[in-house]
Amino acid sequence: NAGVTQTPKFQVLKTGQSMTLQCAQDMNHNSMYWYRQDPGMGLRLIYYSASEGTTDKGEVPNGYNVSRLNKREFSLRLESAAPSQTSVYFCASSHWTGGNFGETQYFGPGTRLLVL
Amino acid sequence: DQQVKQNSPSLSVQEGRISILNCDYTNSMFDYFLWYKKYPAEGPTFLISISSIKDKNEDGRFTVFLNKSAKHLSLHIVPSQPGDSAVYFCAAGGGSNYKLTFGKGTLLTVNP
Repeated sequence: NAGVTQTPKFQVLKTGQSMTLQCAQDMNHNSMYWYRQDPGMGLRLIYYSASEGTTDKGEVPNGYNVSRLNKREFSLRLESAAPSQTSVYFCASSHWTGGNFGETQYFGPGTRLLVL
Repeated sequence: DQQVKQNSPSLSVQEGRISILNCDYTNSMFDYFLWYKKYPAEGPTFLISISSIKDKNEDGRFTVFLNKSAKHLSLHIVPSQPGDSAVYFCAAGGGSNYKLTFGKGTLLTVNP
């Protein structure tokens, strides 16, 4: 099991360029998430997908779009990159069974994005 | 408003001693709590969790304590090792909401 994989590992963009960050998981999880991590800010949720075919906004969705391509894959798109989107992006997945307790999320290795 | 707070940005401990990392939360709907460990240039890795029906959960050198009345949890690492040096994130979730809310993290440094 590879767990959660992310591509690319590192990317440099110019302001206004677009790109798609890819994420895939092989744990048969229902739910997938995109976070960004900035110094002193912890992990902030950008978008999430409870199950295949559904997506919802998280805490900081502006400037991003997502696609839940199938159960395994969840991509994050920056349509017009801005320097404020320089960050480390993490994808995560979990198997929510609808119970009253939360589910453990498992993270990918991250994508470092620099927008000039 | 910050629903999960880790008030200590950093903590330094001698090898072999106990490390205690603290976390406070404000949302009484939270009923599941987790600790993640993160090394530089890697993704966070799950360390240990506790549900609100318990007040303690232990896994080897790691123990998490939950005080629901105080809305406080702590992670104890005994004995601390240099390899434990990392950023530790506290997270909380629950109710009908499967999302997790993360604290800002505490950088633990264990000195040889």
